[in-house]
Amino acid sequence: AQSVTQLDSHVSVSEGTPVLLRCNYSSSYSPSLFWYVQHPNKGLQLLLKYTSAATLVKGINGFEAEFKKSETSFHLTKPSAHMSDAAEYFCVVSDENTGGFKTIFGAGTRLFVKA
Amino acid sequence: SQTIHQWPATLVQPVGSPLSLECTVEGTSNPNLYWYRQAAGRGLQLLFYSVGIGQISSEVPQNLSASRPQDRQFILSSKKLLLSDSGFYLCAWNGQPSTEAFFGQGTRLTVV
Repeated sequence: AQSVTQLDSHVSVSEGTPVLLRCNYSSSYSPSLFWYVQHPNKGLQLLLKYTSAATLVKGINGFEAEFKKSETSFHLTKPSAHMSDAAEYFCVVSDENTGGFKTIFGAGTRLFVKA
Repeated sequence: SQTIHQWPATLVQPVGSPLSLECTVEGTSNPNLYWYRQAAGRGLQLLFYSVGIGQISSEVPQNLSASRPQDRQFILSSKKLLLSDSGFYLCAWNGQPSTEAFFGQGTRLTVV
């Protein structure tokens, strides 16, 4: 069975410092992994996705994530946080299962950016 | 291009009343369809998903049910709402495991 765990419910960083949002997953097959961002009172926006190509994936707004199969992780990083990065971030796994596939979201990590 | 419609946007219903939320997708065929509930600190909880007409998988036991009477129509229902059914419900679709999920605008349901 597939699942996704976001290890931190809240992360707080200072503007200009690195961001690390952690995600672990479990999957019986070869999953596709995504990160979405949701700004307050806005819809969900795709940041990046991994689909069995390069393990280091670059996304929008300077974010990137590395797929590590041995660690079953897909952590999201950014070298330098900006105030506009304050939002909620969701790690997502999409995987084949009996009769089809399904897409599961993590519980989310709220990122706070301090001036 | 593909679009997804979800309605109503907001709904206030008394306890014990029925519920029907509807979602339709345009511009694609045989999509995977989903109903999620979003709650603070719990992310998007997958309630139901469907890989085809009449094929519904339930992820969590609850007071709700889902149906897919047509390829691009997904309905979330309840015969008798509970206070705990209040929340923000999102319909979504994707075409393949490797593709982005697209969301409706959501329905804010308040059970009073």
